[in-house]
Amino acid sequence: DAKTTQPTSMDCAEGRAANLPCNHSTISGNEYVYWYRQIHSQGPQYIIHGLKNNETNEMASLIITEDRKSSTLILPHATLRDTAVYYCIVRGWNFNKFYFGSGTKLNVKP
Amino acid sequence: NAGVTQTPKFRVLKTGQSMTLLCAQDMNHEYMYWYRQDPGMGLRLIHYSVGEGTTAKGEVPDGYNVSRLKKQNFLLGLESAAPSQTSVYFCASSYSTGGQETQYFGPGTRLLVL
Repeated sequence: DAKTTQPTSMDCAEGRAANLPCNHSTISGNEYVYWYRQIHSQGPQYIIHGLKNNETNEMASLIITEDRKSSTLILPHATLRDTAVYYCIVRGWNFNKFYFGSGTKLNVKP
Repeated sequence: NAGVTQTPKFRVLKTGQSMTLLCAQDMNHEYMYWYRQDPGMGLRLIHYSVGEGTTAKGEVPDGYNVSRLKKQNFLLGLESAAPSQTSVYFCASSYSTGGQETQYFGPGTRLLVL
C-alpha cells in the first residue's frame, strides 16, 4: 500500500471550511484513498473514500487530483465537534490492512 | 444494531498475567481486525481475520494470539503481559465489495500493564 504524508496539525475557525491535504505520490492505479477521523480517544470513524473522481457525502467532500498523487478532504462548515485527528489512508482492493500513520490534528476554534 | 462492541473497557494487569479481549460485531462482516494505539501515534495492526476460522498476522503480532471461532467474535489474547503492551486496543470489522472496504471500529479497551 502507498504511504501518505499529512501535516501534523492545522487550525480552522468555526463555521469556515477546513481543507486537509494529503500526499500519496506512490499511489497505484487500483488503490483507493480513504479518510477516517478519531475524536479524542474514541474509535476511528469513517468519513469518505474515492478512487479517481471527487466524492461528496453528508460529512465531507474529497477532491483527488488528476494524477492522483494528492487529495484534499473538505469539511464545508467546521464545528467545534470536528476537532479530531484526521487520517488519510491509501490501500489496494486485495489487501486487508489499513496503515493509519500519524494523521493531522485539526483544531477548530471559536 | 450495536455495531462493534469490546469487552472490557479498561483493565489493569501485572506483568506476566494473561487476559483475553473480546470483540463482537452484529453486522455479519467477514473481516475483523485488532489494532493497538500508543500515545500520540496512529493505529498499528496486530492481527486480522478474513473469515471464521482464519487469522493472519499484521504489523505488530508478537506477544499476541487471536481466535475467530465464530463469525461475529474475534478474541485477542495476551499470554504473558508486558509493560510494553500498555496501550489502547481497538477492534474493527468490515465487508469488502469490489475492492472497497469500510472499517467500523469499537470504542476501545484501555490496558495498563504494571
